[in-house]
Amino acid sequence: ETGVTQSPTHLIKTRGQQVTLRCSSQSGHNTVSWYQQALGQGPQFIFQYYREEENGRGNFPPRFSGLQFPNYSSELNVNALELDDSALYLCASSSGQGLNEQFFGPGTRLTVL
Amino acid sequence: GDSVTQMEGPVTLSEEAFLTINCTYTATGYPSLFWYVQYPGEGLQLLLKATKADDKGSNKGFEATYRKETTSFHLEKGSVQVSDSAVYFCALSDRRDDKIIFGKGTRLHILP
Repeated sequence: ETGVTQSPTHLIKTRGQQVTLRCSSQSGHNTVSWYQQALGQGPQFIFQYYREEENGRGNFPPRFSGLQFPNYSSELNVNALELDDSALYLCASSSGQGLNEQFFGPGTRLTVL
Repeated sequence: GDSVTQMEGPVTLSEEAFLTINCTYTATGYPSLFWYVQYPGEGLQLLLKATKADDKGSNKGFEATYRKETTSFHLEKGSVQVSDSAVYFCALSDRRDDKIIFGKGTRLHILP
């Protein structure tokens, strides 16, 4: 059984640029959630996708957007990057909705200069 | 809104010491409560959970009891090991949606 994988591992961008982060969910999982973890903070919920549709969103501006594909992998896109977007971005997959355990990937470290 | 507050770190203990990491929560509903652990260079892992009042979650020698009257979910371990060094996050999930709300994390250092 393959766990949750994310790419790339690290990324450096400059202010105003756009970035796409990728996540492959664990086999058999159809739900993907994205979190932002700033340095020294706990993860904050960005949004969740269930069967290719957005299924809940946290307090993040519209320049944070996402996609889920038919194979349940997912992308997180961030436009017009700001310095405060520097963080570890975590993807978690789970089976169905409700309080099923979410399995986290290792994250993508984004640095915005 | 819902929130989680946990004791600030870092916490430094000697091997075989007793560990307590305090966690309290605020929620309007009846949340499920979790402890996650993040080892260096790795993703978050679920350590234990409790879904209703008075439930006790346990795993790898760690325990936490869901206390509704004190809105707390303190993490305890009787004898810590060097391999327990990590960042520990208390978290909750409201049954109304699937998002997990995390505390800020507590870094734990265990000295041999």
